[in-house]
Amino acid sequence: DTGVSQNPRHKITKRGQNVTFRCDPISEHNRLYWYRQTLGQGPEFLTYFQNEAQLEKSRLLSDRFSAERPKGSFSTLEIQRTEQGDSAMYLCASSPEGIEQFFGPGTRLTVL
Amino acid sequence: GDSVTQMEGPVTLSEEAFLTINCTYTATGYPSLFWYVQYPGEGLQLLLKATKADDKGSNKGFEATYRKETTSFHLEKGSVQVSDSAVYFCALTRSGNTPLVFGKGTRLSVIA
Repeated sequence: DTGVSQNPRHKITKRGQNVTFRCDPISEHNRLYWYRQTLGQGPEFLTYFQNEAQLEKSRLLSDRFSAERPKGSFSTLEIQRTEQGDSAMYLCASSPEGIEQFFGPGTRLTVL
Repeated sequence: GDSVTQMEGPVTLSEEAFLTINCTYTATGYPSLFWYVQYPGEGLQLLLKATKADDKGSNKGFEATYRKETTSFHLEKGSVQVSDSAVYFCALTRSGNTPLVFGKGTRLSVIA
């Protein structure tokens, strides 16, 4: 069991560019969550999948944010037309049936 | 909505000092409560949890007791070490189908 992995670990982009992050959950975890963490704050929930179904996406920050989990395994989070305010750490977590969530190391996004 | 309030940091302690980080919550029903720890440059790791009133979670010398009457889940450790320096997050969830709600985090620095 290698834990939750996220790629890339760091991403620097220019304002207006699109970025995509990948999350590979722990195998056989059917739930996958995305959170955003800004400096000095706790993680803030963005969206959630159970297998390939996106069960909650109302907390995505704008229509520039979208997420997929096409085969119920890995997931991607895309931000279109990035803005400087999108600079943050993006965290992925996975969970088996139950309440405990296991977090990846995060992807740090810097928008110049 | 659900919320978590934890004491603001930073907290600076000498090695072997006693640690308390206060956490209170607002939630309907009977949430499960967690403490997560984030070491520099790493993702969040579950430190301990409690799922019902009067439960005590413990791990690595840290303890927290779920107090329904005071809606609190304070983190304690009798003797901190330099290696405990990290950011500590209190969090709750109402079920396995709901995301975690985090406090803002408390940075702990332990000096030798």
